[in-house]
Order: sequence, then structure tokens, then C-alpha cells
Amino acid sequence: SYVLTQPPSVSVAPGETARITCGGNNIGGKSVHWYQQKPGQAPVLVVYFDGDRPSGIPERFSGSYSMDTATLTISRVEAGDEADYFCQMWDISTDHRVFGGGTTLTVL
Amino acid sequence: EVQLVESGGGLVKPGGSLRLSCAASRFTFSSYSMNWVRQAPGKGLEWVSFISSSSSYKHYADSVKGRFTISRDNAKNSLFLQMNSLRVEDTAVYYCAKDRGDGYNHPFDSWGQGTLVTVSS
Repeated sequence: SYVLTQPPSVSVAPGETARITCGGNNIGGKSVHWYQQKPGQAPVLVVYFDGDRPSGIPERFSGSYSMDTATLTISRVEAGDEADYFCQMWDISTDHRVFGGGTTLTVL
Repeated sequence: EVQLVESGGGLVKPGGSLRLSCAASRFTFSSYSMNWVRQAPGKGLEWVSFISSSSSYKHYADSVKGRFTISRDNAKNSLFLQMNSLRVEDTAVYYCAKDRGDGYNHPFDSWGQGTLVTVSS
């Protein structure tokens, strides 16, 4: 089955740019979605398909692809962005949805 | 705003059964595929099951296939998950998650608050 690999943690100072990666074989040919989850809350979709954002999600959140890696970029990071972030895609070979292991973003 | 409210969680012994429900409102339920996603304590997200808008297609994670059954009642705007032969490792918060459309490649654009299932003797 398809595996998505995320770093366990990323730390960034307020106002800087955070980049959270999601690795997978030939991921550039697939659509990756990103979710934010704060403690005790349900996940929230922040970026989907090739960088689209749901209404209410700031433009500071964006998505991109490079080779075998998808990246969630959060510009001008704020304290309120501190959360767990998960990437997710659809595995066409099994019709299963797959999540990455999640990355904890710490705002220093 | 979309509303998804899960219920039916609780404490059950290994080998037991439980039926989760998800009441949907404020959107045309019958037009969207739906999913169950779970999260074990302190762990990441795990997709559990998918059902298409008309119930024509259903898929399960390997970890629950043969034990869990997903279903829906479009007339009552409700999603269900029948869980049998429960194991300790099924302990998790179970979320009902709506697809952005009807099909496989859509993101989960709305989530319920979750219901906790604890499997323990």
C-alpha cells in the first residue's frame, strides 16, 4: 500500500515561513490534501488539490509539489498556527485513502 | 454551515460490537460520499471506510475489512458504522468526514467532533 512520509516535527519562529513535507513515490502525479488539527479538536482542511484553499483559510497557507515530495508552506507564521498537520491522498491501486503520519508544528 | 454529529461510542469488551451513527445536516447529504476516519489516543489519523453517495461503492481499510460495515440512509441524512469483533487496537476517536464531492479523489472538507470508542476488558 502507498506510504506518505512526514517529518515528526517542524519548528519556526513567528513571522518566518514553515515548510512541512510529505514524501511519496511519484507524488507529483497525485493530488495531496492537507489538514490542520489543534489539540482536542477535529481536523480542518487547509489546502486541497494543487493548492486550493477552502473559504476562511488564509492565503498564508499554500501547497506545492517537487519530484517525490508535496509541501505545505505557511508564510508569516503565527502562534495560532501551532498544530499537527497531516497530508492525505487517494491510492488509485487500492481505492483507499492514505494519511501521512503527521507533523507537529511548533512556533518558537 | 455543514453539521456532522457522531454518536454511539462507548466502552466495549474485546470481541464485542458497537454501532456508530453520524447525523448530517445543512447540506444535501445524498449528493456526497462519506467516510469514517479514526484516531487512536496520541496517534495520527487513519482512514477506516468510504461509501459513495448512493451506497453503490464501499471500501474498507485492511485493518477493519470483514469486521466493520459502513452504510447510510439518505432519507434520514445519516451515516453508520457497524463494528463487530472489536479489538483493543480499535480504541480511538471515530470521526465522520464528508467528501467535497462524490468520488474517490476528494478531500474531507467537513468533519464531526468525533465519538470515542474504547475496547477494553
